[in-house]
Amino acid sequence: QVELQESGPGLVKPSQTLSLTCTVSGDSISSVDHYWTWIRQPPGKGLEWIAYIYDSRSTYYNPSLNSRATISVDTSKKQLSLKLRSATAADTAVYYCARGSIIPRPDSVYYYYYMDVWGKGTTVTVSS
Amino acid sequence: DIQMTQSPFSLSASVGDRVTITCRASQNIDNYLNWYQQKPGKAPKVLIYAASSLQGGVPSRFSGSGSGTDFSLTISSLQPEDFATYYCQQSYITPWTFGQGTKVEIK
Repeated sequence: QVELQESGPGLVKPSQTLSLTCTVSGDSISSVDHYWTWIRQPPGKGLEWIAYIYDSRSTYYNPSLNSRATISVDTSKKQLSLKLRSATAADTAVYYCARGSIIPRPDSVYYYYYMDVWGKGTTVTVSS
Repeated sequence: DIQMTQSPFSLSASVGDRVTITCRASQNIDNYLNWYQQKPGKAPKVLIYAASSLQGGVPSRFSGSGSGTDFSLTISSLQPEDFATYYCQQSYITPWTFGQGTKVEIK
């Protein structure tokens, strides 16, 4: 059974770097059948995709974060990480890590992507 | 970015009702559309991927349809455990984007 567990400081001061870790159990974080991603949800609001990493190297980011985010994996520790620089109050949210499945589209070279296993989430507040 | 617009914003329904939630994309996304269910204080859970494919372990009362810009999620007979917020999400192109959510409440 695949499980993901987020961890990190619950409180970050404005302008500092928000750093989160997601520990993966029950699956290989370097598998080419999956990607690994971060999503966040501000209090009382909807979901926002932040970034994903595939094959431990290929990374994709949401431009709305203005290049402040860095996603990476440590395969030896089976951990996914997120760093978000220059944090502001707008970064206050529940942060989820998730595993994504990559499904070949029939009769096509393209693939479907969706998040099939999620962590429970960790709340981060940016405040002085 | 592709904008995803869900309707209604919220709805009240009774156990046993048939419920349909719609999701419209701001441009053609073929069938790269996923549906998630989120209960209060919990992480989202995938229900449907590729617009109409049921994720393993999800009850068959959930179904999805659509292609292009218009999609729908239908619950054929609402059960007590289905009261939650539902989100659509496009995976056609990054940045992946979600709809604003539809809250299904008990009438």
